[in-house]
Amino acid sequence: DGGITQSPKYLFRKEGQNVTLSCEQNLNHDAMYWYRQDPGQGLRLIYYSQIVNDFQKGDIAEGYSVSREKKESFPLTVTSAQKNPTAFYLCASSIIGLSRAYNEQFFGPGTRLTVL
Amino acid sequence: QKEVEQNSGPLSVPEGAIASLNCTYSDRGSQSFFWYRQYSGKSPELIMFIYSNGDKEDGRFTAQLNKASQYVSLLIRDSQPSDSATYLCAVPTHSGNTPLVFGKGTRLSVIA
Repeated sequence: DGGITQSPKYLFRKEGQNVTLSCEQNLNHDAMYWYRQDPGQGLRLIYYSQIVNDFQKGDIAEGYSVSREKKESFPLTVTSAQKNPTAFYLCASSIIGLSRAYNEQFFGPGTRLTVL
Repeated sequence: QKEVEQNSGPLSVPEGAIASLNCTYSDRGSQSFFWYRQYSGKSPELIMFIYSNGDKEDGRFTAQLNKASQYVSLLIRDSQPSDSATYLCAVPTHSGNTPLVFGKGTRLSVIA
């Protein structure tokens, strides 16, 4: 059963702690993305990766870090430097294909992070 | 920096009516456009993709693209209460396989 999994579904963090959100895909997609969504807001890009061992910052990368050691996995660490981390975090993946016009992204179920 | 604008709503329509959702974008060079549906507390799912000017139909959904006016619309015919969700419009940051820039979404409520 192909898809994207994220864990945990809910995560609670104390101030000053680092936490890592997991994202795994078995779709054989090359590209993976992390977005953040706040209530009533659209998705904002944190980081993305198009190839193993390489990634690029998005619009709101400060206070976050990522790694891409395997094609299937793209974990996101929310560090203590992120001042307002309470949000819904979404991981997505897409193919890198021949069509320059098409870029469907498939989303995981999300992780809801709350800072206590 | 590309921008995508949507009316946040809520847009309320009676069951069976046509719901019309609009999206404008800032970059005249944008070539492909995506409509995602997001139920409350869930992740977005793709419902329509459009690349060419004009209309694209898929079941009860029709996407309309007008590149000259820089807007893309989503029409939902015979709206059902199950269509109640937030609809997100998105464009790639660059052509090809790049991250998407999302609008803030329009919340649709279909009243039975």
